[in-house]
Amino acid sequence: DTAVSQTPKYLVTQMGNDKSIKCEQNLGHDTMYWYKQDSKKFLKIMFSYNNKELIINETVPNRFSPKSPDKAHLNLHINSLELGDSAVYFCASSLVGENTEAFFGQGTRLTVV
Amino acid sequence: SQQGEEDPQALSIQEGENATMNCSYKTSINNLQWYRQNSGRGLVHLILIRSNEREKHSGRLRVTLDTSKKSSSLWITASRAADTASYFCATFQTGANNLFFGTGTRLTVIP
Repeated sequence: DTAVSQTPKYLVTQMGNDKSIKCEQNLGHDTMYWYKQDSKKFLKIMFSYNNKELIINETVPNRFSPKSPDKAHLNLHINSLELGDSAVYFCASSLVGENTEAFFGQGTRLTVV
Repeated sequence: SQQGEEDPQALSIQEGENATMNCSYKTSINNLQWYRQNSGRGLVHLILIRSNEREKHSGRLRVTLDTSKKSSSLWITASRAADTASYFCATFQTGANNLFFGTGTRLTVIP
């Protein structure tokens, strides 16, 4: 009955590989997000999707592509992984509107070797 | 940068003491939110304060907002060891449909 779930929790892969992280929310929210948290714990927005429409893309390399098959899912696909991509990636969701809270998944720790 | 800044970066207190964390931001906001992150876990929402509010309470938490100074403070009263976590402020900025997070304060409550 987890509200926002991500898989996998840990991902270790070699440079140059392509990988995906899956995210699902069962809250009926309209907006989903991907955040990247680096080693200094800075949280940076990568993407947000509202009703299948990308509404924000914060200067993220085009090796990263969000894919949303339906409004309950927002997967993150990464091509040609680089060492600098190592981080914890968080999926989140919220209702549409400004005075709403975001619900976060448990995170996916990606390590590129 | 749209990211806010928090201070202190780290705070260590004894159980029972009060903790205070500050957040500063740069742009016009609709609301400011505080989140908590336990080690190795996702973020959990604590409290939201709208731009037209000055103070809000939730249990042992108290939040203030000063939009003229573009700053907010989070107080945790009578801290407990279980309050040990990182605390982040996040701003919902005017014209953006997104939350921008601060740099976080690492709180350690010593039993």
